[in-house]
Amino acid sequence: DGGITQSPKYLFRKEGQNVTLSCEQNLNHDAMYWYRQDPGQGLRLIYYSQIVNDFQKGDIAEGYSVSREKKESFPLTVTSAQKNPTAFYLCASSMEGTGIYEQYFGPGTRLTVT
Amino acid sequence: AQSVSQHNHHVILSEAASLELGCNYSYGGTVNLFWYVQYPGQHLQLLLKYFSGDPLVKGIKGFEAEFIKSKFSFNLRKPSVQWSDTAEYFCAVNSGGGNKLTFGTGTQLKVEL
Repeated sequence: DGGITQSPKYLFRKEGQNVTLSCEQNLNHDAMYWYRQDPGQGLRLIYYSQIVNDFQKGDIAEGYSVSREKKESFPLTVTSAQKNPTAFYLCASSMEGTGIYEQYFGPGTRLTVT
Repeated sequence: AQSVSQHNHHVILSEAASLELGCNYSYGGTVNLFWYVQYPGQHLQLLLKYFSGDPLVKGIKGFEAEFIKSKFSFNLRKPSVQWSDTAEYFCAVNSGGGNKLTFGTGTQLKVEL
């Protein structure tokens, strides 16, 4: 079954701890994206990667970091520097990052930091 | 920077009513437009998209949208909604420079029996 996997579905952390969210895709897509979804604010782009070993900041990158060592994987680390980390995080991928292609989304990870 | 406005935040309709959800964007150049839908408990999925050509585009499940360049709008329509259309709907715009999307804040649609 082709698609995007995000794990875990729910994640709880204490304030001050870094946490890494997993995103894996088996669609053979070059480009991958991380969004944050907050009620009433829609989706906001955190980071994106058009190709392996390359990534760019999105609109709200502060307090987050990513890596893209493999085509299939694009983990997101929420660091302790992120002021309001509690949110629903969505990973997406698209065939390429330089043209206009549909983005496919994963099921999301709901992160709660207390 | 590109911005996308969805003016209706919550919409409640009865089954068989007609639906129109507004979407306006700010960028005046070439744009590519999308509507995504998030059904309860499901992944965000593409409803329809406009890249070029006929400004009236048809999507899945009987939805359509009309691109009106002069009004910077891409409104979503459905002639007769069903209870199963209850979901959150997001308009998104790509305005060049790669495949980055700017999303609107979403419209929560509830269809009552």
